[in-house]
Amino acid sequence: QSALTQPASVSGSPGQSITISCSGTNNDIGAYPYVSWYQQHPGRAPKVLISDVSRRRSGVSARFSGARSGETASLTISGLQAEDEADYYCASYSGNSTPLFGGGTHLTV
Amino acid sequence: EGQMVQSGTEMKKPGESLKISCKVSGFTFKNNWIAWVRQTPGKGLQWVGSIYPGDSDIRYSPSFQGHVSISADMSTTTAYLEWSSLEASDTAMYYCSRLVTGTTYYFDPWGQGTLVTVSS
Repeated sequence: QSALTQPASVSGSPGQSITISCSGTNNDIGAYPYVSWYQQHPGRAPKVLISDVSRRRSGVSARFSGARSGETASLTISGLQAEDEADYYCASYSGNSTPLFGGGTHLTV
Repeated sequence: EGQMVQSGTEMKKPGESLKISCKVSGFTFKNNWIAWVRQTPGKGLQWVGSIYPGDSDIRYSPSFQGHVSISADMSTTTAYLEWSSLEASDTAMYYCSRLVTGTTYYFDPWGQGTLVTVSS
């Protein structure tokens, strides 16, 4: 299976909102409500932000929100802060006990 | 929430064998899927495979099937990722993570990562 498609980079100014897209197919994002999003700072392990398309995990700021439309999922970060500068990855279940990751998006604030 | 602590950095030569580990604490080892994820600069995150220690059910990504082996020791609550013959292309950071499933599907928590470098 091919990886999910994310833009390589996005940027925004402090206080603004940005949205990162994650495109899949009707075999993964379009088929299952199991999209998750991860934040990774340099030299650190990924950390889950969102599961099940739009469920914020414990301790995650309400500035982070997830959505899905058809075969595309999205992560929106509102009120950008300098600490949000990081790499962001989407993931989806794709059937047969197989998860797929996106290629990652670097956010510059 | 649990914790996953991985073994340290490895530097190996092509053709050598390697087994890296992931010690789990804070959640029931045998009743959770433990996944291995590879990270390279060029390809981001890739799922390598997962094991369910309770019944030793193992799933591999087609991209890694036959090149790596995943195992688990319930007595020490440790999962392993093993190579019998390393290649330069295995150079990467490898993470273990709990794959939470059921009515949901996501990875949490994550180990700190094990850097594997394969070079002659």
